[in-house]
Amino acid sequence: GGIITQTPKFLIGQEGQKLTLKCQQNFNHDTMYWYRQDSGKGLRLIYYSITENDLQKGDLSEGYDASREKKSSFSLTVTSAQKNEMAVFLCASSIRFPNSDYTFGSGTRLLVI
Amino acid sequence: AQSVTQPDARVTVSEGASLQLRCKYSYSATPYLFWYVQYPRQGLQLLLKYYSGDPVVQGVNGFEAEFSKSNSSFHLRKASVHWSDSAVYFCAVSMDSGGSNYKLTFGKGTLLTVTP
Repeated sequence: GGIITQTPKFLIGQEGQKLTLKCQQNFNHDTMYWYRQDSGKGLRLIYYSITENDLQKGDLSEGYDASREKKSSFSLTVTSAQKNEMAVFLCASSIRFPNSDYTFGSGTRLLVI
Repeated sequence: AQSVTQPDARVTVSEGASLQLRCKYSYSATPYLFWYVQYPRQGLQLLLKYYSGDPVVQGVNGFEAEFSKSNSSFHLRKASVHWSDSAVYFCAVSMDSGGSNYKLTFGKGTLLTVTP
């Protein structure tokens, strides 16, 4: 079976800092996603990438950049961390077929002080 | 735009009791529907999905869900819960937009607590 690895698992940053989260998958999936999870708000899509050279904005892309370095990896950058921000960032992947289900990583927990 | 509503933020049931977690969606055509479970400090795992056909779909660990077009609902059920079912459950929807949609829209989740 495959796995999605997110690094780091925990990230503490300072206000205004640029922070980068990484995601690697070995399912050979074409499509990858970044979601943000806040308590009581469910999951919100930040960016996704249908294929290796593609990048699409989600509903919450402001304040973030993303990069699909290769088929197996997808990075997310918080361009300027907001003070007291606390959230979990989840990476997921799927086959390249519309309306497919996702496989998720275990998340990166961010705290900004 | 598509949306998903899980009206119950928290549900508590006794071990061995039956369970229903509610999910309603807002979308004019038939959507693709999913239920995911999230255990503490883990990512989401797929429980089951509905694309078409029999409105009752079976998932892992004894879970099932029933699609109702008339009620725009996709409720999750289990006949007898176990303490290990305690987790957060998410309903998700994907709309059919002519073969171009890759996005899932998630509800806010329902925290299930199973008591002894």
